[in-house]
Amino acid sequence: EIVLTQSPGTLSLSPGERATLSCRASQSVSSNNLAWYQQKPGQAPRLLIYGASSRATGIPDRFSGSGSGTDFTLTISRLEPEDFAVYYCQQYGSSRTFGQGTKVEIK
Amino acid sequence: EVQLVESGGGLVQPGGSLRLSCAASGFTLSSHWMNWVRQAPGKGPEWVANINQDGNEKYYVDSVKGRFTVSRDNTKNSLYLQMNNLRPEDTAVYYCARGGSYSGYWGQGTLVTVSS
Repeated sequence: EIVLTQSPGTLSLSPGERATLSCRASQSVSSNNLAWYQQKPGQAPRLLIYGASSRATGIPDRFSGSGSGTDFTLTISRLEPEDFAVYYCQQYGSSRTFGQGTKVEIK
Repeated sequence: EVQLVESGGGLVQPGGSLRLSCAASGFTLSSHWMNWVRQAPGKGPEWVANINQDGNEKYYVDSVKGRFTVSRDNTKNSLYLQMNNLRPEDTAVYYCARGGSYSGYWGQGTLVTVSS
């Protein structure tokens, strides 16, 4: 099983700042089969990124994904008030597993 | 508009059974792999199972193999998860989601609580 470790656990930032979230895999994720989701309280996860760097339909371009192999990054270029949430990475190269999440909170 | 609506959750005793349903609308269910994903209170999501378009390929996370069965009825636009021999650690919100890899559409979830 591929274990995904996200860091940091919590990121305290102000609106307008840049957020950089990390997702590290215990072994290489084949074909960069990695997705990122945003989740707000009481809601289902929302797909942001798939294939490590492709934005899902309707996702603003302030969200970007990068990385390959075992190290992946989600970047939010300028935080908007609605971006404060929990973010999860998920790999689908070997079965499917999720990371434990990074909470982006208002500083 | 794509919609996924789960039902069938509730409180069940350890060792009991539940059958979850997911009603799909706004797209052709028979064209898509489907996932079941669960999320325990305060935890991250956990993929549970998926099923291919015609139901002859099914995959499960190790912790539910032999206890859970995913199925579908494309004529009824519905997806199912039969859960037997439930354990307290199965307590979670269960989501159906479109896609067998990543999922761009999710239902609102149904809560399953396993407790005596």
